[in-house]
Amino acid sequence: AQRVTQPEKLLSVFKGAPVELKCNYSYSGSPELFWYVQYSRQRLQLLLRHISRESIKGFTADLNKGETSFHLKKPFAQEEDSAMYYCALSGKAAGNKLTFGGGTRVLVKP
Amino acid sequence: EAGVTQFPSHSVIEKGQTVTLRCDPISGHDNLYWYRRVMGKEIKFLLHFVKESKQDESGMPNNRFLAERTGGTYSTLKVQPAELEDSGVYFCASSQDLVRLEQFFGPGTRLTVL
Repeated sequence: AQRVTQPEKLLSVFKGAPVELKCNYSYSGSPELFWYVQYSRQRLQLLLRHISRESIKGFTADLNKGETSFHLKKPFAQEEDSAMYYCALSGKAAGNKLTFGGGTRVLVKP
Repeated sequence: EAGVTQFPSHSVIEKGQTVTLRCDPISGHDNLYWYRRVMGKEIKFLLHFVKESKQDESGMPNNRFLAERTGGTYSTLKVQPAELEDSGVYFCASSQDLVRLEQFFGPGTRLTVL
């Protein structure tokens, strides 16, 4: 069975501080990992995906298959990064349905 | 280009009543997914359409839930009869194909069953 775990429900950091959101997964096969973000009063949207290996809005995430992790990092958090972040997993074997973690609320204080 | 739309945005009904949620995917997207988030829980997959066919309905909680996708365009999700535990936010998402994996989400329908 596929499973995604986000251990932190809430992360509170000051503006300019680094932020790291943890994500661990279990999946039999080759997973596709994603980070989705939901800003206040907006819809869920894709932030980044591991196969793109790119940085979006200063965020990066590296897939570590040995540790089955896909942690999201940003070296200098901004107030506009305050949002709900969801780690998600999918795979062709599962018809590309997304399995979500419980989400981490990030609050960036001025 | 219009994104995924869902109707209604909110619905408040009494236990035992029927509610129908609608999702209009992005034009040309063959894949349509329904998810829901109940209070305090994670977002969970309900089912997946490819065009008008149900590809995977393993996440449907029970036979009170019926999903259809007429002509491979919009989709409806009917709950009949609604129970208290059905309260939550129902999301619809669409994707172009199974190679381009990004799913585009609608704003969700918040369902409250009293």
